[in-house]
Amino acid sequence: AQKVTQAQTEISVVEKEDVTLDCVYETRDTTYYLFWYKQPPSGELVFLIRRNSFDEQNEISGRYSWNFQKSTSSFNFTITASQVVDSAVYFCALSEGGGSARQLTFGSGTQLTVLP
Amino acid sequence: GAGVSQSPRYKVAKRGQDVALRCDPISGHVSLFWYQQALGQGPEFLTYFQNEAQLDKSGLPSDRFFAERPEGSVSTLKIQRTQQEDSAVYLCASSLIAYRTNPYNEQFFGPGTRLTVL
Repeated sequence: AQKVTQAQTEISVVEKEDVTLDCVYETRDTTYYLFWYKQPPSGELVFLIRRNSFDEQNEISGRYSWNFQKSTSSFNFTITASQVVDSAVYFCALSEGGGSARQLTFGSGTQLTVLP
Repeated sequence: GAGVSQSPRYKVAKRGQDVALRCDPISGHVSLFWYQQALGQGPEFLTYFQNEAQLDKSGLPSDRFFAERPEGSVSTLKIQRTQQEDSAVYLCASSLIAYRTNPYNEQFFGPGTRLTVL
């Protein structure tokens, strides 16, 4: 069975600090997909990034960067120079590629608060 | 509309009442998902449609939960004889490509319906 663990329940940082959100996943499939979503106070989940299990290349997009390491089953997310608008709950999610599984399995989320 | 819409945004029900939650996916999106999000938790999968076919309902917690998508667009999640443990946010998501053939395709989420059962 697939599982996603986000050990950090809450993180508070001061604006302009860098912050890393951790995500550890478990799956038996060799083909799988990883995602990060942001959930602001409005409640709508906003897609941030996706990765498949064959693509370990890390990615940078503006102030966001992702570090995917299959050896440690981790898919961590870093925000550089955080801003107040980054305050939200961030979810890591996993989808297995084979068989009948299609749904996203989410972690329990990390509440990020960026203080001015 | 431009995104996934859900109605109502908030619903208060007395225990034992039936409720119906509506989801309007993005036009043309083949796949539709329902998730349940308890307070302080991540969303949990309920059911999945590809067009009008319900291909996976393994996440529905009991036979009191029923979902349909009769014309392959709008979907309704119905909960009969609501219980307090049904209180949660119910999220709907849609994706363009049939998920079975391309699970990589990201899901676009609606704002959710917050259900409170008293």
